Parts: sequence; structure tokens; C-alpha cells
Amino acid sequence: DSGVTQTPKHLITATGQRVTLRCSPRSGDLSVYWYQQSLDQGLQFLIQYYNGEERAKGNILERFSAQQFPDLHSELNLSSLELGDSALYFCASSPRGSGSTGELFFGEGSRLTVL
Amino acid sequence: QQQVKQSPQSLIVQKGGISIINCAYENTAFDYFPWYQQFPGKGPALLIAIRPDVSEKKEGRFTISFNKSAKQFSLHIMDSQPGDSATYFCAASKGSNYQLIWGAGTKLIIKP
Repeated sequence: DSGVTQTPKHLITATGQRVTLRCSPRSGDLSVYWYQQSLDQGLQFLIQYYNGEERAKGNILERFSAQQFPDLHSELNLSSLELGDSALYFCASSPRGSGSTGELFFGEGSRLTVL
Repeated sequence: QQQVKQSPQSLIVQKGGISIINCAYENTAFDYFPWYQQFPGKGPALLIAIRPDVSEKKEGRFTISFNKSAKQFSLHIMDSQPGDSATYFCAASKGSNYQLIWGAGTKLIIKP
């Protein structure tokens, strides 16, 4: 158990809909990352938040947005869903401060199916 | 220059054999090279990591070999076991910036 909690574990929805994925990082971790993993594909970095502020942006579509709340949990919002958005969405957190090993702790993912 | 190229895409090894996965990078500023292991239905988890001041790091049956001049690093799994069957990702980052650049992954199957 990595200590990172993601909900829901599975989600089935229709094209054009909007969904919200939730992530609770490990206790004490200030950084949250979102990744997308399509079937048998690698990890695509979407976005990183650090203590409530956006820190880095990857290949995140304009239809997607995220935020990190004062209690450090994060939400990834996916709107106008398309079939190609079907994927596993992972949240990861990392320890605060510099000099860290840089280890990311991943949740078990939210599997999104768009029909 | 930000890419990390990983090979092979898939690998089948007999139980007890050595599994070798390779990664290459271009950015000489990278100074942290981790390997993550992902089992089906689970998130990736850190397996082993190396910094460029050493050429090799061993943890149990898992060894990272690092060749700074060739800008390559590899994961060796000795005495491979069926429980090692998973997808392995290499990655790289620079400085205290945690922005990992990921390889495409290698699906490893260990045949009993």
C-alpha cells in the first residue's frame, strides 16, 4: 500500500460527459502528479501540483483540468469526454523538500471507460 | 533531448535466467535514474534507482548498470522468477526537479 488513495477505482461514462477523479496523497506529501496510461502504453505525465500551486504541465488536453485543495487532495476533471480518453489515470505523490530521492508513490489508479 | 528510449518493448525469459532491459538518454543534465515496476492493475512502484556518481547499484537480484559516457543505463534481474513478471519503466530527471522523463516500458514475462 503506497498510502496514495484514488477514487473511484472504476468509472464508465458516455462520450460528451464530464467526470472528476479524486486523489489523496500520502500524509505529509505536498506534491501531487497526474498521469494517463492507455492500454499497454507508457505513462503520460499530465500535470503536477505542489502545495496548491500548479508546478508543471505535461501533455494535458484543454478539456482536462486539475486542482489541489488546501488539505492537499487533488482532483482531475475530464470534460467533453471522447472514446480516446478511456485509460487508467494515476495519481502520485512525492515527499516535500529538497534533497529527496525523488521517489514517486503511485495510487492504484482510476480506470475510465468512455462508451 | 528530453527523451528516454527504452528497449525491448517486451521480453520473455525462462525462470532462473537473466532479464536485461536497456535505456538511453540524451540530456547530460539528468542525474537521477530510477526503475519502476508495475504489476497488472496496480500503480508503478519504485524498484531501484541510481545517481551518476556510481556505475552500478545492486539490491538483491536487481542491479542497475550505468554508463555515463554512453548515456545508457540498464536493469538486470538475476535468477528471474515468475513473480518478476511485470512492466518495467526506466526514467530520468535532473536536479531536485522531480519531473521524471519516462521510458515507454518493457513488458517482462518469466516462463516457469
